[in-house]
Amino acid sequence: ETGVTQTPRHLVMGMTNKKSLKCEQHLGHNAMYWYKQSAKKPLELMFVYSLEERVENNSVPSRFSPECPNSSHLFLHLHTLQPEDSALYLCASSQDRVRTGANVLTFGAGSRLTVL
Amino acid sequence: GQSLEQPSEVTAVEGAIVQINCTYQTSGFYGLSWYQQHDGGAPTFLSYNALDGLEETGRFSSFLSRSDSYGYLLLQELQMKDSASYFCAVDKGGKLIFGQGTELSVKP
Repeated sequence: ETGVTQTPRHLVMGMTNKKSLKCEQHLGHNAMYWYKQSAKKPLELMFVYSLEERVENNSVPSRFSPECPNSSHLFLHLHTLQPEDSALYLCASSQDRVRTGANVLTFGAGSRLTVL
Repeated sequence: GQSLEQPSEVTAVEGAIVQINCTYQTSGFYGLSWYQQHDGGAPTFLSYNALDGLEETGRFSSFLSRSDSYGYLLLQELQMKDSASYFCAVDKGGKLIFGQGTELSVKP
């Protein structure tokens, strides 16, 4: 496996379900991100983890709960979601370093979530 | 607040040149990046401008003018495979803030 892998690729859940999205990176990066992508809207930053510590929570509702057990894995736990939470959830990683160049994000292919 | 504006759609023909503009309202950022996303795929990094001016990477070039709060992505010798969505993003130090994306359709 190379790059950033997200599972599952597709998920359908009811509003009372609990599910989790998983992201794994094999690039040796030390920063990981969750983004939400809805149709015709910008990618919305949700959470940032650097060196396994959460450094950004972009006013995300508590029904989304991230977890970063180590530098290679990132989870997004989902609970009591709403239909408007249906979207593509993208995970990304990067090498967080002294500002000598571009902060290049490597994205996974995303998990397509549908909330009924 | 901070926002980035891009045209929602652009259409061009194979072999042509197309420019995708990005205007932004934000302060204090390290640089402007461009990403490409094919339908159903992951966004992939294309180009980055830390300084004003033009950066060239093969058929793709990117430009930044901080004084004008403006940048663009220039695609030359368009190919059918260039049909995709293109996103500009400002690097705010540890996080990228994205525009809503421009869907480019390349016609034969």
